[in-house]
Amino acid sequence: DSGVTQTPKHLITATGQRVTLRCSPRSGDLSVYWYQQSLDQGLQFLIQYYNGEERAKGNILERFSAQQFPDLHSELNLSSLELGDSALYFCASSVAGSHEQYFGPGTRLTVT
Amino acid sequence: GIQVEQSPPDLILQEGANSTLRCNFSDSVNNLQWFHQNPWGQLINLFYIPSGTKQNGRLSATTVATERYSLLYISSSQTTDSGVYFCAVEGGYGGSQGNLIFGKGTKLSVKP
Repeated sequence: DSGVTQTPKHLITATGQRVTLRCSPRSGDLSVYWYQQSLDQGLQFLIQYYNGEERAKGNILERFSAQQFPDLHSELNLSSLELGDSALYFCASSVAGSHEQYFGPGTRLTVT
Repeated sequence: GIQVEQSPPDLILQEGANSTLRCNFSDSVNNLQWFHQNPWGQLINLFYIPSGTKQNGRLSATTVATERYSLLYISSSQTTDSGVYFCAVEGGYGGSQGNLIFGKGTKLSVKP
């Protein structure tokens, strides 16, 4: 158990819908990262937050957005879902001053 | 951007055999991590090893940063070692560091 929690574990929804994925980092970790794992693209970085502020952006679509709240949990919002958004979405966290990232169990999103 | 290449892409072993997995990266990196993704999809931290050698039980890893490669050794393999092994290095999106760039992984199958 990495100490990073993600909910829900599984999510099945229809095209065009909007979903919210939630992540709670390890106690004391200020950085939160979101990654997407799909069969064709592999594991890709989406976005990073540090203590509530956006720190870096990767290959995140405009239909996707994220935020980190004062209690340091983070949410990834996916809207206007397409079939190709079906993937495993991971959240990771790291403590300030360390680059080692610990990953949550992931949320498996299926868009039908 | 930094390229990460892992070899071999697939590996089949008999239980008890040893193996070496390789990760090459295209540029200097500050950080490198090895992960094991088990059949249930969980990403488990194996090593945080930007340089040098570390050992944890039957697993060990060596990173030679100046030559841009890392090796993961698995000795006396067990069926529970099956899964996909990922190497990830720290990239530099948007001028900020911290996000990981993953290789495509080595899929390991250990047969009883």
